[in-house]
Amino acid sequence: DAGVIQSPRHEVTEMGQEVTLRCKPISGHNSLFWYRQTMMRGLELLIYFNNNVPIDDSGMPEDRFSAKMPNASFSTLKIQPSEPRDSAVYFCATTYGTSGSGELFFGEGSRLTVL
Amino acid sequence: QQPVQSPQAVILREGEDAVINCSSSKALYSVHWYRQKHGEAPVFLMILLKGGEQKGHEKISASFNEKKQQSSLYLTASQLSYSGTYFCGTEDTSGTYKYIFGTGTRLKVLA
Repeated sequence: DAGVIQSPRHEVTEMGQEVTLRCKPISGHNSLFWYRQTMMRGLELLIYFNNNVPIDDSGMPEDRFSAKMPNASFSTLKIQPSEPRDSAVYFCATTYGTSGSGELFFGEGSRLTVL
Repeated sequence: QQPVQSPQAVILREGEDAVINCSSSKALYSVHWYRQKHGEAPVFLMILLKGGEQKGHEKISASFNEKKQQSSLYLTASQLSYSGTYFCGTEDTSGTYKYIFGTGTRLKVLA
């Protein structure tokens, strides 16, 4: 299996621009998580989906952030408009099942820099 | 609320032992441990599901005290390859299946 695939790996954009991060989960995994990692805050859970349905988005910082999972093979995290404080590494992680049943498999991350 | 890990950072010589602690303010259903190398994604080490359960993986083991809402990771006879940042990932008993990661512990093993 190719693992969790994220794109782009690196994104440099200017403040105010729209940013879309993409994630392809491992085939058969039905839970998908978006995390943001910074030096100050560590790994923060933004939102997670189970069977393509958003279960908890309480970690989404504000209305500028939105996430979708239109099908079992694809998820997006969108920031519009982007701000310098959004600069971070964004990880997508997937697993099969729910309640502690399995390890999280992480993608390689998308490093976002907002100028 | 993010679980708190201690210590924040530790430096070891090869062959020395270390303990990393993870403490949550919520009742826990499971605890995961991950290691992240610089510039890479976190990699799974182990899951603990039951109170008092202890698991081992070669020279790395962990315990989970459900009542104290704490978990500890034990690294014995450390190797250079153990260097990285260690995170505990916790799932509480609310039934929401959220995986929240701890504050992280940076570990550096010197030759």
